[in-house]
Amino acid sequence: QKEVEQDPGPLSVPEGAIVSLNCTYSNSAFQYFMWYRQYSRKGPELLMYTYSSGNKEDGRFTAQVDKSSKYISLFIRDSQPSDSATYLCAMQAAGNKLTFGGGTRVLVKP
Amino acid sequence: DAGVIQSPRHEVTEMGQEVTLRCKPISGHDYLFWYRQTMMRGLELLIYFNNNVPIDDSGMPEDRFSAKMPNASFSTLKIQPSEPRDSAVYFCASSRDRGLGGYTFGSGTRLTVV
Repeated sequence: QKEVEQDPGPLSVPEGAIVSLNCTYSNSAFQYFMWYRQYSRKGPELLMYTYSSGNKEDGRFTAQVDKSSKYISLFIRDSQPSDSATYLCAMQAAGNKLTFGGGTRVLVKP
Repeated sequence: DAGVIQSPRHEVTEMGQEVTLRCKPISGHDYLFWYRQTMMRGLELLIYFNNNVPIDDSGMPEDRFSAKMPNASFSTLKIQPSEPRDSAVYFCASSRDRGLGGYTFGSGTRLTVV
């Protein structure tokens, strides 16, 4: 079993819909949680960063962390075709390297 | 800030040839990471450096792979000899503060070994 599990998708939604992405993990030492967005033929770029449990909002993006359930989520409101990309979750225990999920491919249709 | 710069963007080589990938991290970042991405295995960490010193190379697939960081502004990943199964996109990333706050990735080198 992988340390971080993420549904590969693809997840197809109409423009304007809410996109809901999630990851589960097994390592209780993870304290830092991130979401990266990767466009085709580009490197991953950091989208959201949260520490420990709770919610964080940035514009149309909301990240949630539930450490008790070992579950993190990313919500994209009012989705746009430009949001079409692969979204990777990543996690880190203090002082250690990032562990990435496999990524979920998202397609927002006009 | 030009970000993390990788070269070449694309590399096509024949099996058995030596391949060298290059990376220039962001100035001031003291951590540098080499990743490999494939459809089957996703992002895999190969090796990372702190202050130019290799810290963890447990992800390097085999002795054919080697990485160096001669100074704070330059790193190489070498594959010798290359094999078709090495075909992948190789990313370099850099960070500071042990990566707390995330890594900044380059645009990657797409390697095809025929």
